Amino acid sequence: AQSVTQLDSQVPVFEEAPVELRCNYSSSVSVYLFWYVQYPNQGLQLLLKYLSGSTLVKGINGFEAEFNKSQTSFHLRKPSVHISDTAEYFCAAVNTGTASKLTFGTGTRLQVTL
Amino acid sequence: NAGVTQTPKFQVLKTGQSMTLQCAQDMNHEYMSWYRQDPGMGLRLIHYSVGAGITDQGEVPNGYNVSRSTTEDFPLRLLSAAPSQTSVYFCASSLRGFGYTFGSGTRLTVV
Repeated sequence: AQSVTQLDSQVPVFEEAPVELRCNYSSSVSVYLFWYVQYPNQGLQLLLKYLSGSTLVKGINGFEAEFNKSQTSFHLRKPSVHISDTAEYFCAAVNTGTASKLTFGTGTRLQVTL
Repeated sequence: NAGVTQTPKFQVLKTGQSMTLQCAQDMNHEYMSWYRQDPGMGLRLIHYSVGAGITDQGEVPNGYNVSRSTTEDFPLRLLSAAPSQTSVYFCASSLRGFGYTFGSGTRLTVV
């Protein structure tokens, strides 16, 4: 079974500053990796996903993530954040073989201020 | 398309009561799952299904039952509600795991 670790529970950042949200995974088999965003009192929205191919993945709202197999990481980045990016961000992984049990990290709260 | 539809959005139960949370998807997705979200714990998998007639337990299945008689529907049953089941519940569906689509959630309070 795979596991996902999000190292930071909260990340405060000023508007227009860059941000990186960290995610590490552990698995004995190949995984697909995802980042989801959750705005207050809403469901989860898919930001981006890594299935195969290029290790740099671009998503919605200007976010991107880089898959690093040697470091088992999938960090999320944005070069310039906006107030509207304030939300909870979840990293998730699923075994490529069965792909039926999506495992989540505990989430990172991104707080953007002026 | 409606995507993944969950009902109800809010529910208050008394300890010991039973209820069913409904989940329906119109994307012809094979995989469906139920998660609960609790503060500081992320989302934890309760039960999942890889097709009609096939279900299996996730990380926290105790106190919950599921069935999958059709591709579209995946109801979650609370057999005898307990305060520990107070949570936000999310249903999700996927085409073979290539990215899950989530419903808007059901906020359940057990008193």
